[in-house]
Amino acid sequence: DAGVTQSPTHLIKTRGQHVTLRCSPISGHKSVSWYQQVLGQGPQFIFQYYEKEERGRGNFPDRFSARQFPNYSSELNVNALLLGDSALYLCASSLYGVFFGQGTRLTVV
Amino acid sequence: AQSVTQLGSHVSVSEGALVLLRCNYSSSVPPYLFWYVQYPNQGLQLLLKYTSAATLVKGINGFEAEFKKSETSFHLTKPSAHMSDAAEYFCAVSSLISGYSTLTFGKGTMLLVSP
Repeated sequence: DAGVTQSPTHLIKTRGQHVTLRCSPISGHKSVSWYQQVLGQGPQFIFQYYEKEERGRGNFPDRFSARQFPNYSSELNVNALLLGDSALYLCASSLYGVFFGQGTRLTVV
Repeated sequence: AQSVTQLGSHVSVSEGALVLLRCNYSSSVPPYLFWYVQYPNQGLQLLLKYTSAATLVKGINGFEAEFKKSETSFHLTKPSAHMSDAAEYFCAVSSLISGYSTLTFGKGTMLLVSP
């Protein structure tokens, strides 16, 4: 079975731009979460979606938004990018355990 | 609020030596605890998890961790380090907030293994 898949793997954007990151959960998993991992730190929770509904949101500005589709895949959107948004963005799906994808490395220049 | 403290941002061992990575947690409710490993430019791989069953939890690649409620600790050990164990390790606690759960991670410990 395929694990959690994320695209793209790497991305370079300019300050002020918008970015969309994508995630496909493990087959059968209905819950998707997003985490931000800044270099040298542990991942921090951004959003959790279940059955297309937002269940929770971490301490991130409104520039961050997400959605989940009927096939349970998810998108994370970040508007007005700042240099500080440079990080590894991890998607996780969960059923009986939390399983992470390989992440998308976003660099904002 | 729940939190995790990992003691030591870097731990160095020789190949074949005991690995001990320390994790202390703070939780107002019985916690679920996890250890994840992250190799360079990779995502997180689950090593093991504690979910209130046996206090000694065995995971993959020869790792194990012991839940000690009195010490609020969940240290990760491996009897004999291998070069392939060199990676960053994260301890996490599961937090139940308003009906959904999320993971709160420590800052990570980089394990360095020398020949």
